[in-house]
Amino acid sequence: GQQLNQSPQSMFIQEGEDVSMNCTSSSIFNTWLWYKQDPGEGPVLLIALYKAGELTSNGRLTAQFGTTRKDSFLNISASIPSDVGIYFCAGHIQGAQKLVFGQGTRLTINP
Amino acid sequence: DTAVSQTPKYLVTQMGNDKSIKCEQNLGHDTMYWYKQDSKKFLKIMFSYNNKELIINETVPNRFSPKSPDKAHLNLHINSLELGDSAVYFCASSQDPRKQFFGPGTRLTVL
Repeated sequence: GQQLNQSPQSMFIQEGEDVSMNCTSSSIFNTWLWYKQDPGEGPVLLIALYKAGELTSNGRLTAQFGTTRKDSFLNISASIPSDVGIYFCAGHIQGAQKLVFGQGTRLTINP
Repeated sequence: DTAVSQTPKYLVTQMGNDKSIKCEQNLGHDTMYWYKQDSKKFLKIMFSYNNKELIINETVPNRFSPKSPDKAHLNLHINSLELGDSAVYFCASSQDPRKQFFGPGTRLTVL
């Protein structure tokens, strides 16, 4: 089946640092999404990307839909303690009833 | 005003027991889902219902039986619980499969 590979699997950074993570696939997706899961909660949608090459921001978060349609990137600038959590990429193929999720990137911030 | 709610939040039970987890959404969405998140935090879809009709069944053991009495509710019943069933179970709902709203999760521990 389709798989999304996220990297890194975990990150330990200092507060104030910028963060980059990515997601790659062997298959093309029509939509890429980034979700965040806070500790003890369910995932929440952060950003949705609909076109190859699209760059979208949500506050300090910026995500890009790769031009090959097989990858996506998420950047977080000037990290703060509440950015801690697990970030999941997800891909969607047009007409499909479900998402394909990556394994997640766990972000830990040292104050 | 919770969008997607699940009960119970925690469930601890013995092997071989039967248990149910309930999910309700007040968003008016047509589609609901059940996911299993294992100890490595991988999110795996189990089932999806659209307007009370099963549309996704991801080769889940038949000990797991979802039931949707109406489109706002999707319950998960598990028979003959096994140690490997220990996980966090998330309910989600959506009108667009790309934009899913997750519940807070039910942590199931089988002893």
